[in-house]
Amino acid sequence: DVKVTQSSRYLVKRTGEKVFLECVQDMDHENMFWYRQDPGLGLRLIYFSYDVKMKEKGDIPEGYSVSREKKERFSLILESASTNQTSMYLCASSRGLWDQPQHFGDGTRLSIL
Amino acid sequence: AQSVTQLGSHVSVSEGALVLLRCNYSSSVPPYLFWYVQYPNQGLQLLLKYTSAATLVKGINGFEAEFKKSETSFHLTKPSAHMSDAAEYFCAVSPNYGGSQGNLIFGKGTKLSVKP
Repeated sequence: DVKVTQSSRYLVKRTGEKVFLECVQDMDHENMFWYRQDPGLGLRLIYFSYDVKMKEKGDIPEGYSVSREKKERFSLILESASTNQTSMYLCASSRGLWDQPQHFGDGTRLSIL
Repeated sequence: AQSVTQLGSHVSVSEGALVLLRCNYSSSVPPYLFWYVQYPNQGLQLLLKYTSAATLVKGINGFEAEFKKSETSFHLTKPSAHMSDAAEYFCAVSPNYGGSQGNLIFGKGTKLSVKP
C-alpha cells in the first residue's frame, strides 16, 4: 500500500513565522501535490511537482513556496505566516499517468495565531 | 476547461436507505474518474475509479458508481447506508489530455449524514 506521511497532524504557529510542512511518500511516485482545504471551498491546489527540483504553481500559490530535493519528499513553506493561512493542508502523490489516482496523507491542521 | 460539479453540498439519509451522491463532469474526451471519501480530521481515501474498462465500477465499503457518457455523470451509490458512511465525499476527474498527467480536478465535496 502507498504511504504518504505528513510530519505533523496539528501545528500552531505565530504570524510572521516561517513554517515548514513536510511530506514523504514511499512508492517512488513522480508527482507530488500540496492542497489546502477550507470549509465550502473544497480542495485547492497550491503547488505540485512532477520531478525532483521541478515545481509548478497551482491555483493559489501566493504566500507559499515548495522544495523537492529528493523524489520521496515534498516540502511546503509558508515564508511569513499569516492568519488567513490557517487551514487544513493535504499532501498527495501519484504516478505521472492519466489513469492513476492520487494518494493522500492524513493532513496537517495548521493554526496561525 | 474541465470541471466537476457535485450536486448538493449536504445529503442526509436514514440508516438502511439508499445513498445517491451526484457528480457531473465536463470534458471533451472520455476522462478518468474517481470518488474519494474523507472521514473527519483525515486525508482523502480512494473509494473507486473509472478507467474505461467497465461502466459500472465497484469500490470499497459497498459503494459503486456508474459512468454514463451521454449524461456526463458518475454518480456514487450504496444500497443501504450505515452510520459509518457519514463522511465527506469528493468526485475527481483526470482530463486525459492537456496539462500535466496525474493532476486531478476535484468537486467541492458532498457531506453525507446518516440518521439512526
